[in-house]
Amino acid sequence: QKEVEQNSGPLSVPEGAIASLNCTYSDRGSQSFFWYRQYSGKSPELIMSIYSNGDKEDGRFTAQLNKASQYVSLLIRDSQPSDSATYLCAAQGGKLIFGQGTELSVKP
Amino acid sequence: SQTIHQWPATLVQPVGSPLSLECTVEGTSNPNLYWYRQAAGRGLQLLFYSVGIGQISSEVPQNLSASRPQDRQFILSSKKLLLSDSGFYLCAWTRDRGFGYTFGSGTRLTVV
Repeated sequence: QKEVEQNSGPLSVPEGAIASLNCTYSDRGSQSFFWYRQYSGKSPELIMSIYSNGDKEDGRFTAQLNKASQYVSLLIRDSQPSDSATYLCAAQGGKLIFGQGTELSVKP
Repeated sequence: SQTIHQWPATLVQPVGSPLSLECTVEGTSNPNLYWYRQAAGRGLQLLFYSVGIGQISSEVPQNLSASRPQDRQFILSSKKLLLSDSGFYLCAWTRDRGFGYTFGSGTRLTVV
Protein backbone atom coordinates (compact mmCIF):
# COMPACT_ATOMS: atom_id res chain seq x y z
CA GLN A 1 0.00 0.00 0.00
CA LYS A 2 1.34 3.39 -0.96
CA GLU A 3 2.08 5.49 2.09
CA VAL A 4 3.31 8.87 3.24
CA GLU A 5 4.93 8.91 6.67
CA GLN A 6 5.39 11.88 8.95
CA ASN A 7 6.50 12.23 12.55
CA SER A 8 3.32 12.87 14.50
CA GLY A 9 4.98 15.30 16.89
CA PRO A 10 4.18 17.52 18.55
CA LEU A 11 7.22 19.46 17.45
CA SER A 12 7.88 22.40 19.72
CA VAL A 13 10.19 25.25 18.74
CA PRO A 14 10.79 28.69 20.25
CA GLU A 15 9.68 31.80 18.40
CA GLY A 16 12.25 32.87 15.83
CA ALA A 17 13.77 29.40 15.44
CA ILE A 18 13.75 27.18 12.35
CA ALA A 19 11.11 24.46 12.34
CA SER A 20 11.97 21.36 10.30
CA LEU A 21 9.19 19.02 9.21
CA ASN A 22 9.98 15.74 7.48
CA CYS A 23 8.12 13.29 5.30
CA THR A 24 8.92 10.06 3.44
CA TYR A 25 6.86 8.40 0.74
CA SER A 26 6.77 4.85 -0.56
CA ASP A 27 5.58 5.30 -4.17
CA ARG A 28 8.63 5.87 -6.40
CA GLY A 29 6.24 6.94 -9.15
CA SER A 30 5.20 10.06 -7.20
CA GLN A 31 5.84 13.21 -9.22
CA SER A 32 4.18 16.01 -7.27
CA PHE A 33 4.56 16.88 -3.62
CA PHE A 34 2.64 19.27 -1.43
CA TRP A 35 2.63 20.74 2.05
CA TYR A 36 -0.63 21.76 3.68
CA ARG A 37 -1.18 23.70 6.88
CA GLN A 38 -4.23 22.88 8.99
CA TYR A 39 -5.20 25.03 11.94
CA SER A 40 -7.24 23.34 14.64
CA GLY A 41 -10.85 22.96 13.52
CA LYS A 42 -10.14 24.32 10.05
CA SER A 43 -9.63 22.76 6.63
CA PRO A 44 -6.15 22.16 5.13
CA GLU A 45 -4.58 25.03 3.21
CA LEU A 46 -2.01 24.45 0.46
CA ILE A 47 1.19 26.32 1.31
CA MET A 48 3.91 24.74 -0.85
CA SER A 49 4.22 22.51 -3.90
CA ILE A 50 7.43 21.00 -5.25
CA TYR A 51 8.03 18.86 -8.31
CA SER A 52 11.82 18.71 -8.85
CA ASN A 53 14.74 17.66 -6.71
CA GLY A 54 16.23 20.48 -4.68
CA ASP A 55 14.88 23.43 -2.78
CA LYS A 56 11.95 25.72 -3.41
CA GLU A 57 11.61 28.88 -1.34
CA ASP A 58 8.54 31.01 -0.73
CA GLY A 59 8.95 33.67 1.92
CA ARG A 60 9.80 31.99 5.23
CA PHE A 61 9.01 28.54 3.82
CA THR A 62 11.43 26.24 2.01
CA ALA A 63 10.40 22.87 0.62
CA GLN A 64 13.09 20.31 -0.12
CA LEU A 65 12.72 17.21 -2.29
CA ASN A 66 15.04 14.25 -2.70
CA LYS A 67 13.45 11.67 -4.98
CA ALA A 68 16.34 9.22 -4.66
CA SER A 69 15.78 9.07 -0.90
CA GLN A 70 11.99 9.48 -1.27
CA TYR A 71 12.15 12.33 1.19
CA VAL A 72 10.38 15.68 1.40
CA SER A 73 10.88 18.34 4.02
CA LEU A 74 9.52 21.75 4.94
CA LEU A 75 11.61 24.36 6.71
CA ILE A 76 9.96 27.32 8.39
CA ARG A 77 12.39 30.12 9.19
CA ASP A 78 11.78 32.71 11.89
CA SER A 79 8.90 30.64 13.27
CA GLN A 80 5.99 32.60 14.65
CA PRO A 81 3.26 31.56 17.11
CA SER A 82 0.83 31.91 14.18
CA ASP A 83 2.68 29.01 12.49
CA SER A 84 1.37 26.67 15.21
CA ALA A 85 -0.72 24.16 13.30
CA THR A 86 -0.67 20.63 11.91
CA TYR A 87 1.35 20.29 8.71
CA LEU A 88 0.29 17.62 6.20
CA CYS A 89 2.64 16.23 3.59
CA ALA A 90 1.12 14.79 0.41
CA ALA A 91 2.59 12.90 -2.53
CA GLN A 92 0.93 12.28 -5.89
CA GLY A 93 1.73 9.60 -8.39
CA GLY A 94 -1.73 8.48 -9.42
CA LYS A 95 -3.76 9.53 -6.41
CA LEU A 96 -2.81 12.17 -3.88
CA ILE A 97 -1.75 10.41 -0.68
CA PHE A 98 -1.64 12.38 2.58
CA GLY A 99 0.48 11.75 5.62
CA GLN A 100 -1.00 11.79 9.09
CA GLY A 101 0.40 15.25 9.79
CA THR A 102 2.92 16.75 12.19
CA GLU A 103 1.69 19.10 14.91
CA LEU A 104 3.92 22.15 15.28
CA SER A 105 3.85 24.38 18.35
CA VAL A 106 5.78 27.66 18.30
CA LYS A 107 6.32 29.01 21.80
CA PRO A 108 6.59 32.79 22.35
CA SER B 1 -10.67 33.28 -9.27
CA GLN B 2 -11.91 29.90 -8.21
CA THR B 3 -13.79 29.33 -4.99
CA ILE B 4 -15.20 26.24 -3.34
CA HIS B 5 -18.28 26.34 -1.16
CA GLN B 6 -19.29 23.65 1.27
CA TRP B 7 -22.27 23.54 3.61
CA PRO B 8 -23.49 23.23 6.25
CA ALA B 9 -20.55 24.04 8.52
CA THR B 10 -21.81 21.91 11.39
CA LEU B 11 -24.45 19.23 11.63
CA VAL B 12 -25.79 17.09 14.45
CA GLN B 13 -27.84 14.15 13.26
CA PRO B 14 -29.40 11.16 15.02
CA VAL B 15 -28.35 7.62 14.19
CA GLY B 16 -30.40 6.26 11.31
CA SER B 17 -31.21 9.65 9.81
CA PRO B 18 -30.30 10.58 6.23
CA LEU B 19 -27.46 12.88 5.22
CA SER B 20 -26.84 15.26 2.37
CA LEU B 21 -23.74 17.44 2.16
CA GLU B 22 -23.23 19.73 -0.79
CA CYS B 23 -20.15 21.19 -2.39
CA THR B 24 -19.93 23.59 -5.31
CA VAL B 25 -17.00 25.10 -7.15
CA GLU B 26 -17.10 28.46 -8.92
CA GLY B 27 -14.80 29.98 -11.51
CA THR B 28 -13.69 26.84 -13.31
CA SER B 29 -15.10 24.09 -15.47
CA ASN B 30 -14.72 20.30 -15.37
CA PRO B 31 -12.88 20.21 -12.04
CA ASN B 32 -11.79 16.98 -10.40
CA LEU B 33 -13.79 16.73 -7.17
CA TYR B 34 -13.09 14.84 -3.97
CA TRP B 35 -14.78 13.98 -0.67
CA TYR B 36 -12.54 13.32 2.33
CA ARG B 37 -13.30 12.48 5.94
CA GLN B 38 -11.05 13.32 8.85
CA ALA B 39 -11.80 11.62 12.15
CA ALA B 40 -10.70 13.42 15.33
CA GLY B 41 -6.90 13.43 15.53
CA ARG B 42 -6.60 11.35 12.39
CA GLY B 43 -5.44 11.80 8.83
CA LEU B 44 -7.47 12.43 5.70
CA GLN B 45 -9.40 9.48 4.31
CA LEU B 46 -10.43 9.72 0.65
CA LEU B 47 -14.07 8.65 0.29
CA PHE B 48 -15.03 9.48 -3.30
CA TYR B 49 -13.68 11.29 -6.32
CA SER B 50 -15.13 12.39 -9.61
CA VAL B 51 -13.48 13.46 -12.86
CA GLY B 52 -16.71 14.40 -14.61
CA ILE B 53 -20.50 14.60 -14.45
CA GLY B 54 -21.99 11.30 -13.38
CA GLN B 55 -18.55 9.72 -12.84
CA ILE B 56 -17.99 8.59 -9.26
CA SER B 57 -15.20 6.42 -7.89
CA SER B 58 -15.49 5.02 -4.39
CA GLU B 59 -12.39 4.42 -2.31
CA VAL B 60 -13.81 2.63 0.71
CA PRO B 61 -16.90 0.51 1.22
CA GLN B 62 -19.31 2.19 3.60
CA ASN B 63 -22.88 3.42 3.88
CA LEU B 64 -22.08 6.69 2.13
CA SER B 65 -22.63 7.53 -1.52
CA ALA B 66 -21.72 10.45 -3.75
CA SER B 67 -23.23 12.03 -6.82
CA ARG B 68 -22.23 14.69 -9.30
CA PRO B 69 -25.43 15.97 -10.93
CA GLN B 70 -23.77 19.07 -12.41
CA ASP B 71 -20.24 19.89 -13.54
CA ARG B 72 -19.36 21.89 -10.43
CA GLN B 73 -21.59 20.23 -7.85
CA PHE B 74 -20.64 17.28 -5.69
CA ILE B 75 -22.99 15.74 -3.14
CA LEU B 76 -22.28 13.29 -0.33
CA SER B 77 -25.23 11.29 0.95
CA SER B 78 -26.27 8.58 3.31
CA LYS B 79 -29.63 6.88 3.75
CA LYS B 80 -28.98 5.90 7.40
CA LEU B 81 -26.19 7.41 9.45
CA LEU B 82 -24.08 5.38 11.86
CA LEU B 83 -22.24 6.65 14.93
CA SER B 84 -18.99 5.87 13.11
CA ASP B 85 -19.92 8.39 10.38
CA SER B 86 -19.07 11.26 12.72
CA GLY B 87 -16.15 13.33 11.54
CA PHE B 88 -14.97 16.34 9.60
CA TYR B 89 -16.03 16.07 5.96
CA LEU B 90 -14.02 17.97 3.41
CA CYS B 91 -14.70 18.62 -0.23
CA ALA B 92 -11.74 19.44 -2.48
CA TRP B 93 -11.10 20.27 -6.13
CA THR B 94 -8.25 20.44 -8.56
CA ARG B 95 -8.07 21.38 -12.23
CA ASP B 96 -5.85 18.41 -13.03
CA ARG B 97 -3.40 15.96 -11.56
CA GLY B 98 -0.29 17.64 -10.19
CA PHE B 99 -1.87 20.95 -9.24
CA GLY B 100 -2.63 20.26 -5.60
CA TYR B 101 -6.08 20.24 -4.09
CA THR B 102 -8.03 23.19 -2.74
CA PHE B 103 -10.28 22.30 0.17
CA GLY B 104 -13.63 23.71 1.18
CA SER B 105 -14.20 24.89 4.72
CA GLY B 106 -15.57 21.53 5.80
CA THR B 107 -18.64 20.13 7.57
CA ARG B 108 -18.30 18.86 11.10
CA LEU B 109 -20.81 16.02 11.46
CA THR B 110 -21.74 14.56 14.81
CA VAL B 111 -23.99 11.52 14.81
CA VAL B 112 -25.77 11.06 18.14
